[in-house]
Amino acid sequence: DAGITQSPRHKVTETGTPVTLRCHQTENHRYMYWYRQDPGHGLRLIHYSYGVKDTDKGEVSDGYSVSRSKTEDFLLTLESATSSQTSVYFCAISVTSGYEQYFGPGTRLTVT
Amino acid sequence: AQTVTQSQPEMSVQEAETVTLSCTYDTSESDYYLFWYKQPPSRQMILVIRQEAYKQQNATENRFSVNFQKAAKSFSLKISDSQLGDAAMYFCAYGNNAGNMLTFGGGTRLMVKP
Repeated sequence: DAGITQSPRHKVTETGTPVTLRCHQTENHRYMYWYRQDPGHGLRLIHYSYGVKDTDKGEVSDGYSVSRSKTEDFLLTLESATSSQTSVYFCAISVTSGYEQYFGPGTRLTVT
Repeated sequence: AQTVTQSQPEMSVQEAETVTLSCTYDTSESDYYLFWYKQPPSRQMILVIRQEAYKQQNATENRFSVNFQKAAKSFSLKISDSQLGDAAMYFCAYGNNAGNMLTFGGGTRLMVKP
């Protein structure tokens, strides 16, 4: 158990509304990641963080922003949700850069 | 950019038999990491096994082993003595040299028949 929680676990929202997903870890790992999972695509990296206030873009970052003001929390924000952002979102941590990542339970987001 | 391909969308195996899931990847890096993750219906992503590219020896974890062919850019997963609990989606993933992202394949759904 890597001590990762995500909230909310399920959310339904309307197109154009802002949405924030939260990832919380209890073990002070430096590296945190946000992925989205869509059928046929596996998981794709949205953004990642390598420390407090240090973040960078991943493969599918358009329409998403992130913030990390504390080691334990990594927030993913959809400023204006679109139907194409309907997906399952996973947070992950890694103990050391380059090593295996451990995933949270996921958040299912539906944008209507 | 790296790509990971899992050419078998679905596989089935009889309980207690052995099955091999295929994965190929494309990269120009010489140092990297490879992983297999399992995703059961609960949706939780579970690390099954990892392999460092600089190691020639194939990784093994209990009933799970890999066949890592660096020159061929191939990384297959063998599950021995298959159990009903092995039924899940399996994802192959490539970890880049910078250590800042995993690139996943599209997944293989494994069904285990009793």
